[in-house]
Amino acid sequence: QVQLQESGPGLVKPSETLSLTCTVSGDSMSTYYWSWVRQPPGKGLEWVGYISDTEKTRYNPSLESRVTISLDTSRTQFSLRLSSVTAADTAMYFCARGINNIVTGYYFESWGQGTLVSVSS
Amino acid sequence: DIQMTQSPSSVSASIGDRVTITCRASQSVSSWLAWYQQKPGKAPKLLIYSASTLQSGVPSRFSGSGSGTDFTLTISSLQPEDFATYYCQQANSFPPGFTFGPGTKVDIK
Repeated sequence: QVQLQESGPGLVKPSETLSLTCTVSGDSMSTYYWSWVRQPPGKGLEWVGYISDTEKTRYNPSLESRVTISLDTSRTQFSLRLSSVTAADTAMYFCARGINNIVTGYYFESWGQGTLVSVSS
Repeated sequence: DIQMTQSPSSVSASIGDRVTITCRASQSVSSWLAWYQQKPGKAPKLLIYSASTLQSGVPSRFSGSGSGTDFTLTISSLQPEDFATYYCQQANSFPPGFTFGPGTKVDIK
């Protein structure tokens, strides 16, 4: 059974870059899509972006100018970089494995436990 | 962008009750709709995809229906472990991407 684990700093200063890594274990990264989803405290879920196993990326248009997602299959990891952060980027960040096909569309099949990132000086 | 709404925003129910949550998309998403359950401090858990397909391991008291713009999640007989927040998600693979509904909190009456 696949397991996902987020890691990275829990505190980032305003205007700096947030960097998180998700380590995948228990299954291959092939044929899946790898996403980041965030949730501000007490609020709902927001999709940040994904990267496919062939390194095709797609980002939430509201974040696209600041987001980069990359893949390292040799380490079975994928990473998120979000630049120029503000307090509005304070959230629980989840990594998730996605299924994407013409029949089912895209859904988030397995999730990491999440990591809280606060933006503050 | 496709906007998602859910109703009600919260519902109080008792053990054994039938609970129905509605999700509406601002434009058709065909059957590309998923439902998730989230408990406090935990990651969301996939319940249903393709509007009505039960994810492996999810109890059969959960069911989904609908297509186009209107969808429902039904819990046929509410159990103690079902008290949580439920989110729908439009799963349309085309740009601009995927959006979640605002959530429906199911709590104890």
